[in-house]
Amino acid sequence: EAGVTQSPTHLIKTRGQQATLRCSPISGHTSVYWYQQALGLGLQFLLWYDEGEERNRGNFPPRFSGRQFPNYSSELNVNALELEDSALYLCASSLDTGNGANVLTFGAGSRLTVL
Amino acid sequence: DAKTTQPNSMESNEEEPVHLPCNHSTISGTDYIHWYRQLPSQGPEYVIHGLTSNVNNRMASLAIAEDRKSSTLILHRATLRDAAVYYCIPPSSSQGGSEKLVFGKGTKLTVNP
Repeated sequence: EAGVTQSPTHLIKTRGQQATLRCSPISGHTSVYWYQQALGLGLQFLLWYDEGEERNRGNFPPRFSGRQFPNYSSELNVNALELEDSALYLCASSLDTGNGANVLTFGAGSRLTVL
Repeated sequence: DAKTTQPNSMESNEEEPVHLPCNHSTISGTDYIHWYRQLPSQGPEYVIHGLTSNVNNRMASLAIAEDRKSSTLILHRATLRDAAVYYCIPPSSSQGGSEKLVFGKGTKLTVNP
């Protein structure tokens, strides 16, 4: 069974540009989560999508946005890139058990570098 | 948000047991306690989770205090491949449930040969 796949593995952009990161969840998983991990820091929750809808959002500005497609894959868009957006962006998927016991499976991440 | 306290780092020798502690004094009664780990240059991976009773799986054991304000992840025989950052995550229902798992800085485990 294929795990969570993310693309691209690495992405280099300049300030002000836009970045698009993609995530394919495990087959059968309807929930997708995005996290940001800046160098030396913990994971910061960005977004949660389930059944095509944004269900929850972390403390990030509106230039961080995304969507989930009918096949449950997801895109994370970062507009007007700033230097501090340089980080590892991790996607995870899960089945929504609805009882707080969701187990997340993470992808390997997309490394975004903003110059 | 639920607060957790974990030691920044711990060290162990190969083949010895490791007990990784976590304090989560603000946990609510219905919140599961999750543990994940992140190996170098990889995304986090699930280790174990539990609610009230102690839990065992092929990777580790989870011992949960009776008042649920703390838990301990137990690696019975540490191997070099267990060197990772271990995250203790008690999701808070007040912050949207487990879909908003808050990963702190975790405990960096070093395993010596």
